[in-house]
Amino acid sequence: DADVTQTPRNRITKTGKRIMLECSQTKGHDRMYWYRQDPGLGLRLIYYSFDVKDINKGEISDGYSVSRQAQAKFSLSLESAIPNQTALYFCATSEVGGGGELFFGEGSRLTVL
Amino acid sequence: DAKTTQPTSMDCAEGRAANLPCNHSTISGNEYVYWYRQIHSQGPQYIIHGLKNNETNEMASLIITEDRKSSTLILPHATLRDTAVYYCIVRVNTGNQFYFGTGTSLTVIP
Repeated sequence: DADVTQTPRNRITKTGKRIMLECSQTKGHDRMYWYRQDPGLGLRLIYYSFDVKDINKGEISDGYSVSRQAQAKFSLSLESAIPNQTALYFCATSEVGGGGELFFGEGSRLTVL
Repeated sequence: DAKTTQPTSMDCAEGRAANLPCNHSTISGNEYVYWYRQIHSQGPQYIIHGLKNNETNEMASLIITEDRKSSTLILPHATLRDTAVYYCIVRVNTGNQFYFGTGTSLTVIP
């Protein structure tokens, strides 16, 4: 089983619908992140959380919200999806010490019609 | 965190060394250089990181210039499975975020 699991892996929805992408991890890391990737572009940070009570905005947080339900779970919500939120979304985790490297999930592909 | 500049794309013959450059001329003394790669649309994979000394692991070597303004990731014997987008990132290792640019698209040619 993957250390960082994202659900759903693929989702097609309509404009105006509420969508939640979920991420769970078994690595025991405190830090969790949500990134967005558009075709041909690098990853852009949406939100990040350093522990259950900590939520921080990234580069492109407008139109998104997050919830850190537990150390192992970090959800991304689109309250009212719009077509330009069509993208590939990645969840990632990292530990506080060590090299600080990120460990990514397999991605959630979202299409908003 | 400092910004990085990488070539958009590179080719490498299978079995040869792939040398991927990265410029980070505004790097600060406490910022590390990290390399990740992304194969197709999979989640990015950590490769290696370093501060000022050269580093080597089972995947690659990282060569950082003495002035730390640039670095090179070396894949010693490239295979077709190394075809991917490679991202060079600089950040403080206790820092908040990784900022990914557009990376270098490496194509390994048979």
